[in-house]
Amino acid sequence: KQEVTQIPAALSVPEGENLVLNCSFTDSAIYNLQWFRQDPGKGLTSLLLIQSSQREQTSGRLNASLDKSSGRSTLYIAASQPGDSATYLCAAFSSNTGKLIFGQGTTLQVKP
Amino acid sequence: DAGVIQSPRHEVTEMGQEVTLRCKPISGHNSLFWYRQTMMRGLELLIYFNNNVPIDDSGMPEDRFSAKMPNASFSTLKIQPSEPRDSAVYFCASRADREYGYTFGSGTRLTVV
Repeated sequence: KQEVTQIPAALSVPEGENLVLNCSFTDSAIYNLQWFRQDPGKGLTSLLLIQSSQREQTSGRLNASLDKSSGRSTLYIAASQPGDSATYLCAAFSSNTGKLIFGQGTTLQVKP
Repeated sequence: DAGVIQSPRHEVTEMGQEVTLRCKPISGHNSLFWYRQTMMRGLELLIYFNNNVPIDDSGMPEDRFSAKMPNASFSTLKIQPSEPRDSAVYFCASRADREYGYTFGSGTRLTVV
């Protein structure tokens, strides 16, 4: 059974810092992994999608990496801004079950 | 592209009443998913459809929950009778194929009093 864990659960940083959010998954038989952003009371916005054959994906100040062998993914945010404050969720799509399983999320606060 | 459209955005109902949540997936997407989000349990997959056919409903909590997808552009999630513990945000998502990511709707916030 696929389990996805995100550490830390919450993070508070001053504006301008570079930061890393961590995601680990137990079943390495994933098809792809997706990072989402969720603002309070809102839906999920897709940030990055990494296929199992890829090592990383970049979009603007965001960079996501994937290491299937160790069951880990990281989301790197460069030069953080207050507008980056939100909950970040990673989700692994399992090849075995055909299901997208979510972690509990990391709630990020970037202080001005 | 209007994205995944869910209705209503908010629903407040009394315990015992029937609740129907609606979803219109993105045109051309052949898979549709219903998720429930709570503070305690996070995002849980309830059921998913592929080409309008239910593939896995093992996440549906109990017989009070049912979902249908009568055609490629519409799905419903029904709760009857509703209970206070059903209060949550219900999300619908769709996907074109396995290589592509999921697109989520804005969700329906359900409150059962």
